[in-house]
Amino acid sequence: AQKVTQAQTEISVVEKEDVTLDCVYETRDTTYYLFWYKQPPSGELVFLIRRNSFDEQNEISGRYSWNFQKSTSSFNFTITASQVVDSAVYFCALKRSNTGKLIFGQGTTLQVKP
Amino acid sequence: EAGVAQSPRYKIIEKRQSVAFWCNPISGHATLYWYQQILGQGPKLLIQFQNNGVVDDSQLPKDRFSAERLKGVDSTLKIQPAKLEDSAVYLCASSPTTSGADTQYFGPGTRLTVL
Repeated sequence: AQKVTQAQTEISVVEKEDVTLDCVYETRDTTYYLFWYKQPPSGELVFLIRRNSFDEQNEISGRYSWNFQKSTSSFNFTITASQVVDSAVYFCALKRSNTGKLIFGQGTTLQVKP
Repeated sequence: EAGVAQSPRYKIIEKRQSVAFWCNPISGHATLYWYQQILGQGPKLLIQFQNNGVVDDSQLPKDRFSAERLKGVDSTLKIQPAKLEDSAVYLCASSPTTSGADTQYFGPGTRLTVL
């Protein structure tokens, strides 16, 4: 069975703090894809990153970075020097290689206070 | 490039009424998805189309939900009759193909409230 767990329901930080959002997944597939999406109050899911199971290189994009570790089945997301505009719900998702279906975690609500 | 369009953005109905949602995917995207997102949860796939054919509708409550994508472009999702538990955001997404490597891009969603 495929499953994604985001154990942190809500996180609150003060602006400029670093914050890490955890994501743990379960799958028996050898080829799969992992995603992070951001859902601001407007409701639209905004794509942030895709990572395939064969690429364990960490990725950095501006203040965002992602740490993928197959050994622990984790795909964590770090925001450096958080800003108020980062306040949103963040979803981690898993997709099998032969299907379009995204399996989402429960989401983590991030609140960044000024 | 225009994103995924959805309408209406909000809908309030009484239980047992019917409702329909519309989605227009990104131009050229062959695959279209409808997801249901209940408050406080992650989205759950209801149905996936490849062009005008259904690829996966295993989680669609077929006794009350129906969807079509007749010309392989825009799509309509219908609920008839609605129940209180159908209150949710209905998200439409599209991707170029059904490949697992493809990224899905989402529309703004339709927030349905059933009273």
